[in-house]
Amino acid sequence: DTEVTQTPKHLVMGMTNKKSLKCEQHMGHRAMYWYKQKAKKPPELMFVYSYEKLSINESVPSRFSPECPNSSLLNLHLHALQPEDSALYLCASSLSRSTRGAFTDTQYFGPGTRLTVL
Amino acid sequence: QKEVEQNSGPLSVPEGAIASLNCTYSDRGSQSFFWYRQYSGKSPELIMFIYSNGDKEDGRFTAQLNKASQYVSLLIRDSQPSDSATYLCASEHSSASKIIFGSGTRLSIRP
Repeated sequence: DTEVTQTPKHLVMGMTNKKSLKCEQHMGHRAMYWYKQKAKKPPELMFVYSYEKLSINESVPSRFSPECPNSSLLNLHLHALQPEDSALYLCASSLSRSTRGAFTDTQYFGPGTRLTVL
Repeated sequence: QKEVEQNSGPLSVPEGAIASLNCTYSDRGSQSFFWYRQYSGKSPELIMFIYSNGDKEDGRFTAQLNKASQYVSLLIRDSQPSDSATYLCASEHSSASKIIFGSGTRLSIRP
């Protein structure tokens, strides 16, 4: 089973709202990722959690706040977003990065959350 | 800057022909390479990964890796209209826990 789930599928929010995106996997993966993807562009990495600790923050604005409550769950808290933050938000997971290798680096993506900021 | 480069296309291939997608990478320390397929409005779906020089076959798909030339390719045999999608090439970053995506090649299979 290589399933990563994300909720909600679609989200519309105003610039003053606070909302959260949720991602879940039950594959025993210990690395989880948040990506942002604009139309006709590749996924753009935002955050990486490895063994429930934040290991990479790609200089993402503080209006995006990640959280990893346990090894299966990853949240992205949203606050005071701008219309240009409208995009497809993708979660992915991989086995781990404690040792390098194609098997452990392979990332599996969830279906994404389509976010619209008004 | 670690980069992965792909021709953006669109690459138009007749149904039943072989589609050839190419990718180059700059990080000589990269060991693992990935091909993802992405349909419009959907999330990327892993097609295959490769880490050894040479060819790796999986059904109609063959990935090819040449580390000396820093070149990765994906061949799709007997192309079907359902293969029409954007194909993303990615390489493992040699010193960070992430993969680097190319900009993707849009493939169109014409009936």
